[in-house]
Amino acid sequence: DQQVKQNSPSLSVQEGRISILNCDYTNSMFDYFLWYKKYPAEGPTFLISISSIKDKNEDGRFTVFLNKSAKHLSLHIVPSQPGDSAVYFCAPVQSGAGSYQLTFGKGTKLSVIP
Amino acid sequence: KAGVTQTPRYLIKTRGQQVTLSCSPISGHRSVSWYQQTPGQGLQFLFEYFSETQRNKGNFPGRFSGRQFSNSRSEMNVSTLELGDSALYLCASSRDRAKDGYTFGSGTRLTVV
Repeated sequence: DQQVKQNSPSLSVQEGRISILNCDYTNSMFDYFLWYKKYPAEGPTFLISISSIKDKNEDGRFTVFLNKSAKHLSLHIVPSQPGDSAVYFCAPVQSGAGSYQLTFGKGTKLSVIP
Repeated sequence: KAGVTQTPRYLIKTRGQQVTLSCSPISGHRSVSWYQQTPGQGLQFLFEYFSETQRNKGNFPGRFSGRQFSNSRSEMNVSTLELGDSALYLCASSRDRAKDGYTFGSGTRLTVV
């Protein structure tokens, strides 16, 4: 039973354009949603998070949108740069459970073409 | 500031053996978690420790165990290794605030032959 789904395994975007990565979840108890970026043979790097009480959070070129009613969130990267090429993971947290276990999606491989 | 340090980076073991992986969290971080990454299953939660106590455990067999020491350093142990245990094992530490997420180490690549 996959609680977190990233339905696009890969995405190719031209440099300078917008990248939109999507994530759907089923557990309504998730109250924080985190995005991580991962290069091969390295650990994931935290990018940005959003609380369930907000619908948008912005940090530089990265913006995350949350639609709680649809149980859907998206990460926008504008403008996309070749260095953004990596695998992106959506990882919600159910902090009220007394633990900060991350539940990862399968990831979306982003390729930014120069 | 030093990041999360995992040792060793690479390890090759034989089926049936046991292995211990080590993780030193960022100074001041009291929460340490372990994750397994495989091509088929993605990133899966193993367990989480806070102040030397296991706070949560994922759906893995009892062959997988861990512990945390008073200085927050953590170890995980896998006994009776199977070929399917070959994976990247990632340790992550946190100040224990959900919005900050976790800082991950570079992982230990375990190969079981």
